[in-house]
Amino acid sequence: GAVVSQHPSWVICKSGTSVKIECRSLDFQATTMFWYRQFPKQSLMLMATSNEGSKATYEQGVEKDKFLINHASLTLSTLTVTSAHPEDSSFYICSARIPTGSSYNEQFFGPGTRLTVL
Amino acid sequence: KQEVTQIPAALSVPEGENLVLNCSFTDSAIYNLQWFRQDPGKGLTSLLLIQSSQREQTSGRLNASLDKSSGRSTLYIAASQPGDSATYLCAVRGTSGSRLTFGEGTQLTVNP
Repeated sequence: GAVVSQHPSWVICKSGTSVKIECRSLDFQATTMFWYRQFPKQSLMLMATSNEGSKATYEQGVEKDKFLINHASLTLSTLTVTSAHPEDSSFYICSARIPTGSSYNEQFFGPGTRLTVL
Repeated sequence: KQEVTQIPAALSVPEGENLVLNCSFTDSAIYNLQWFRQDPGKGLTSLLLIQSSQREQTSGRLNASLDKSSGRSTLYIAASQPGDSATYLCAVRGTSGSRLTFGEGTQLTVNP
């Protein structure tokens, strides 16, 4: 299957700082990428849908000024957690989908980034 | 609103057993269904994708079936191994451009 990478795999930061997480589709072009958040023992919660060259679409309850998403190219999307606080500590997973025009329409996930805010 | 349920929430079996994981969804108008595996602290690995027009897909020891009219899918794992221990997630997509709706997952433990 297609490969999606995330960097960093884990990060520890002080409260009030900003953290950027990168998501790359390595062997295909992804017009649409997704950012999820996962709490322990729970399933994935969709935070936002990111389309290349346009503004991200955020889910209800997700602060767009808190979680800045940039999808500048067909292979790269970034999530910046601004002014991070301990409650932002979580496992963040990105995903990329084979373009909608193809019949496959499969979605592939990155390995995740563990964010710990002290 | 689509809802996806996975039963059981947890399952523990001895090595070598064949097992079935269940996934049900409330809205049968789906585009496709994906089964994923998640190891602790890791991302999701796509196992099988079933399009709405298909009844089943197979990959190695895994077989996924889809009964769209009854809103059900099963993941069959043959001759289970300790390395199969993970959380298995089922997710459905309503239309070709829509988001995935995930179930809560089944945590599988295969004991040697």
